[in-house]
Amino acid sequence: KNEVEQSPQNLTAQEGEFITINCSYSVGISALHWLQQHPGGGIVSLFMLSSGKKKHGRLIATINIQEKHSSLHITASHPRDSAVYICAVGARNQFYFGTGTSLTVIP
Amino acid sequence: DVKVTQSSRYLVKRTGEKVFLECVQDMDHENMFWYRQDPGLGLRLIYFSYDVKMKEKGDIPEGYSVSREKKERFSLILESASTNQTSMYLCASSLLSGVTGLGAFFGQGTRLTVV
Repeated sequence: KNEVEQSPQNLTAQEGEFITINCSYSVGISALHWLQQHPGGGIVSLFMLSSGKKKHGRLIATINIQEKHSSLHITASHPRDSAVYICAVGARNQFYFGTGTSLTVIP
Repeated sequence: DVKVTQSSRYLVKRTGEKVFLECVQDMDHENMFWYRQDPGLGLRLIYFSYDVKMKEKGDIPEGYSVSREKKERFSLILESASTNQTSMYLCASSLLSGVTGLGAFFGQGTRLTVV
């Protein structure tokens, strides 16, 4: 049983497309993170959410606490957005991670 | 700029060696974590610590130990490295005990290969 489920696992898009990655979780959380991991392994925290919506540049993250669901949107996608996107939730003094969505944006 | 720093990006060690992976954070965070990441399995918790000299087992602690002598440093120890411990290791820290997730930061990862 995985406390955090992400979809899709793999995603290929044409440059310029609007992209959505989904995350559902089953535990009570204090916060949800969207992480980006580029080839080579380094992980960057894109957003931390406990309610509502956040926007940073072309990235938008939303969370619905009642439905235990979050989405990460990328507008006007670009090849440099190609990475693995990981949903992580903080709950019960630890993190739970989704298995990641591998995004490839083709020029 | 806040930082979680892992001592090495890449390591190659021999089977049976004792391996130390170091993680240092400069944010005065109480919580620190060690994860390993494997294809198809995602990130799995090895150990975490919510205070100096405190440690808790995660999901896959076998073959590992940890040390937290100072608040800013959390070390992962492979007592006798084996090839199945070849993986990406990730350190993280977060702000408040019991409120995990607030102010969480991640290191750059250490890719360990055991030959």
